[in-house]
Amino acid sequence: SQQGEEDPQALSIQEGENATMNCSYKTSINNLQWYRQNSGRGLVHLILIRSNEREKHSGRLRVTLDTSKKSSSLLITASRAADTASYFCAIANSKLTFGKGITLSVRP
Amino acid sequence: GAGVSQSPRYKVAKRGQDVALRCDPISGHVSLFWYQQALGQGPEFLTYFQNEAQLDKSGLPSDRFFAERPEGSVSTLKIQRTQQEDSAVYLCASSLQIGLAGGQVTGELFFGEGSRLTVL
Repeated sequence: SQQGEEDPQALSIQEGENATMNCSYKTSINNLQWYRQNSGRGLVHLILIRSNEREKHSGRLRVTLDTSKKSSSLLITASRAADTASYFCAIANSKLTFGKGITLSVRP
Repeated sequence: GAGVSQSPRYKVAKRGQDVALRCDPISGHVSLFWYQQALGQGPEFLTYFQNEAQLDKSGLPSDRFFAERPEGSVSTLKIQRTQQEDSAVYLCASSLQIGLAGGQVTGELFFGEGSRLTVL
């Protein structure tokens, strides 16, 4: 399967804590992307990291990529209740293939 | 509009009916994707267009599913003789960027809100 596999499946943290989500994959990639989805809504792109990059930052988001281990992690720092959502990693090569997602709950 | 627009947002069909789902991508976006998302699951790739050309339809579950984008803009996903297992949210996404070396996805996708299909 080309799809990424996220870990953990569900994560519950207190507001202000950091949230770390992991993604593993099996194929070669052009880039890896992370998306967020609020219940009943479409997906929103968060961040893209190319295969020749190791780390990238965007606001409170930090993503890393280890192509030798075929894995990526997404860190959300200083979480807020509004960060509660499902998060998906997506593997980009000839198409964009999504994992099953991580449900993040941030308690106020 | 500024974003990807999908219609209808909600569709209830009786088993055996045909349905058509429409996607208006962001103006100027070359690439268009259709995904199927079952409850509690990630989006599953259905098909991909670059302009009017359907470059990949490997994810279409059966020959009851058909997608077109005749003028390289609006796309329609048609499901014939709907079955209960077709119940899902159908997501459309568009992208400005296309790969330079043969159809690699190099940029972010912009998603619509989806069309929720319920087959009774």
